[in-house]
Amino acid sequence: QQQVKQSPQSLIVQKGGIPIINCAYENTAFDYFPWYQQFPGKGPALLIAIRPDVSEKKEGRFTISFNKSAKQFSLHIMDSQPGDSATYFCAARKTGGGNKLTFGTGTQLKVEL
Amino acid sequence: EPEVTQTPSHQVTQMGQEVILRCVPISNHLYFYWYRQILGQKVEFLVSFYNNEISEKSEIFDDQFSVERPDGSNFTLKIRSTKLEDSAMYFCASTYNYEQYFGPGTRLTVT
Repeated sequence: QQQVKQSPQSLIVQKGGIPIINCAYENTAFDYFPWYQQFPGKGPALLIAIRPDVSEKKEGRFTISFNKSAKQFSLHIMDSQPGDSATYFCAARKTGGGNKLTFGTGTQLKVEL
Repeated sequence: EPEVTQTPSHQVTQMGQEVILRCVPISNHLYFYWYRQILGQKVEFLVSFYNNEISEKSEIFDDQFSVERPDGSNFTLKIRSTKLEDSAMYFCASTYNYEQYFGPGTRLTVT
């Protein structure tokens, strides 16, 4: 119940394409869903986040779509660039206790020229 | 822009030795965390710390691990007797409310 399932494991798109990464969760106590971007050898960097009271959030080229009834959320990257090549992790936070993040398994994205 | 810092960036230690990983969270943040990431795998929660005490810990965080905020700025993770399987990247994170910001990590190699 604490898991966050993420797919696909890896993704290759052409420059300008729109990669979509999907996550699903079971625990309805999750109340905050961030996406992190990680480059090799670096820490996860917060990209964008959403709370379940909205269905979509957009920041620059990054959009989160959230489907509360299906318990799914996804990241879309518009006009993808080679510099977007990284590993992307979705996460979920359960309110209360330590407010820890539970991470998905990650998606390795490669944007080719 | 404020950021979480961690030292050292890489620590090599022998099995059975004690290590202390250090973090300086963002100054006005209230919650502090340690996570770890074994090479090529997902980020796993270890422990959260609030108001000078542990608020939650995972199954990984056994008696070999401890955390401390020895002063107003540092946050440390101690592994008392390291095992080969403790080799991983260790990330410190902090938050004021929702957004958790991660440090660059310490790569711990246990030989």
